[in-house]
Amino acid sequence: AQKITQTQPGMFVQEKEAVTLDCTYDTSDQSYGLFWYKQPSSGEMIFLIYQGSYDEQNATEGRYSLNFQKARKSANLVISASQLGDSAMYFCAMRAINNNDMRFGAGTRLTVKP
Amino acid sequence: DAGVTQSPTHLIKTRGQQVTLRCSPKSGHDTVSWYQQALGQGPQFIFQYYEEEERQRGNFPDRFSGHQFPNYSSELNVNALLLGDSALYLCASSLKWGEITDTQYFGPGTRLTVL
Repeated sequence: AQKITQTQPGMFVQEKEAVTLDCTYDTSDQSYGLFWYKQPSSGEMIFLIYQGSYDEQNATEGRYSLNFQKARKSANLVISASQLGDSAMYFCAMRAINNNDMRFGAGTRLTVKP
Repeated sequence: DAGVTQSPTHLIKTRGQQVTLRCSPKSGHDTVSWYQQALGQGPQFIFQYYEEEERQRGNFPDRFSGHQFPNYSSELNVNALLLGDSALYLCASSLKWGEITDTQYFGPGTRLTVL
């Protein structure tokens, strides 16, 4: 069974600083994909970044990067130069091969302070 | 380029009633997934439709059913509503059904309240 764990219910960061949101996962599958989504108070889930289990390099998308450590089964999201608009819930999710069921973690609420 | 749209935005029902939620996928997408998100939790997968067939289902009772139309839009039906069905219902669309890299794009959700 697949499981996603996000151990930080809430995080605070000063504007313009970097922040790391933790995500660990558990799966017996060798091929899988990891996703991060942002959910503002409006409710819509916004796709941020994707990492495949066989990707050798860490994924990056603008100010977002994914610190992928396969042996530790962790896929932490790093947000550089935080902005006030980054304040939201952040969800880590995973899908394994032959399984279209995307599993989400419980989320981390990020608050960016001015 | 229109994103995923859902209707209605909000809905209030009473226990025992039935409800239908609607979703139009992002342009070019052919796969639709439905999720239930209870307050303070991550989304839970309900089911996924591709080529008008339910391809995978999460751990939800048969009271939850769906449909996909030839234009790829989809409906989620919930019968015999319970108080515990109160949640945000999210629809997501994608275009690489069955592939690991299939990225799902979400709509704004329908907030269902059951009284």
